[in-house]
Amino acid sequence: DGGITQSPKYLFRKEGQNVTLSCEQNLNHDAMYWYRQDPGQGLRLIYYSQIVNDFQKGDIAEGYSVSREKKESFPLTVTSAQKNPTAFYLCASSLGTTQETQYFGPGTRLLVL
Amino acid sequence: GNSVTQMEGPVTLSEEAFLTINCTYTATGYPSLFWYVQYPGEGLQLLLKATKADDKGSNKGFEATYRKETTSFHLEKGSVQVSDSAVYFCALSDSFIRNQFYFGTGTSLTVIP
Repeated sequence: DGGITQSPKYLFRKEGQNVTLSCEQNLNHDAMYWYRQDPGQGLRLIYYSQIVNDFQKGDIAEGYSVSREKKESFPLTVTSAQKNPTAFYLCASSLGTTQETQYFGPGTRLLVL
Repeated sequence: GNSVTQMEGPVTLSEEAFLTINCTYTATGYPSLFWYVQYPGEGLQLLLKATKADDKGSNKGFEATYRKETTSFHLEKGSVQVSDSAVYFCALSDSFIRNQFYFGTGTSLTVIP
């Protein structure tokens, strides 16, 4: 089955710690995205990548970093500079051309200890 | 700029009632419009889409018509079921800004037996 997987489902972060969220897709999509979801605020774009080895900041990139070394993988690191990381993180992918449907993974919930 | 405005929730309906969730948009170009559904603790799933004016998207009994004259894409279903309880997101994809999606804040629907 083609799809997007995210791991872990739940992640706990201690103060000052960097944590990495995994996102893998086997849809052969060029473009991948990371969103943050907070209650009542909808989705906000953190980073996106249209092609391997290239990525762009979204609306709320501060305190986050990404890499795109392989087409299938787009990991997100939440750094210690992100002071309010508690949220639901969603990864998505699309074929990459304009107006293509984005397909979402099941999400990772990040909690601060 | 681009934006999506959704009807505020939560919405509570009895089973078999008629559903309307309002969505209006502002766009600089000729966007595609989407409805996504999110069940508790899960990622977003595409419900339906429309790519040009007067198109009607439909899926699982849900419908929405792309109305350029009123810049709207309201979601409707004739008879809701308990299993339709979820959060619904309206979104647009701009034709000029590659891969950029704009989401509404979501509308929570609860259907009671």
